[in-house]
Amino acid sequence: AQSVTQPDIHITVSEGASLELRCNYSYGATPYLFWYVQSPGQGLQLLLKYFSGDTLVQGIKGFEAEFKRSQSSFNLRKPSVHWSDAAEYFCAVGVTGGGNKLTFGTGTQLKVEL
Amino acid sequence: DVKVTQSSRYLVKRTGEKVFLECVQDMDHENMFWYRQDPGLGLRLIYFSYDVKMKEKGDIPEGYSVSREKKERFSLILESASTNQTSMYLCASSRPGNPYEQYFGPGTRLTVT
Repeated sequence: AQSVTQPDIHITVSEGASLELRCNYSYGATPYLFWYVQSPGQGLQLLLKYFSGDTLVQGIKGFEAEFKRSQSSFNLRKPSVHWSDAAEYFCAVGVTGGGNKLTFGTGTQLKVEL
Repeated sequence: DVKVTQSSRYLVKRTGEKVFLECVQDMDHENMFWYRQDPGLGLRLIYFSYDVKMKEKGDIPEGYSVSREKKERFSLILESASTNQTSMYLCASSRPGNPYEQYFGPGTRLTVT
């Protein structure tokens, strides 16, 4: 079965600094990969997705992520973090034949220092 | 925009009560999902549904049941609520042509005392 690992539970960055959130997956073939963001008290919002093709994908709010097959990773990046980016970020994987299900990582809580 | 709504943002129930959590989506999505979210555990799938009257168990179905009588509505039922079901419950839906891109409701924080 597929699994998703987000090794960082909490990350603190200064406003304006760059950000990278790590995500590793376990699956034999190329999965469908997603990053979602959850602001306090809210549901999840899709940031970006990777299905196939260009391994660098652009998302909303200035985020991007790069699929690296050799490392089984799909790390989320942003060149300059804004205070409003403080939230919890979830990486998720979907697999063909998986019954339309997503498997989520445990999340990374981002704190932004002003 | 897709809108997924959940009947309550906050709910407090007593142990042993029967609890209904309602979810409605307005985009004619065929797929609907119920998750629970707990700190350090991420989101875990309870049940999902491909179509009206169809349901499939997710990873943690024990203690829960679901109902989907209409395409836009997916209900999660706790037959006899227990304190270990205190959690945030999230509903989601997705299009049949893009099943993995899920749209989430705001969540219901359920406390069972």
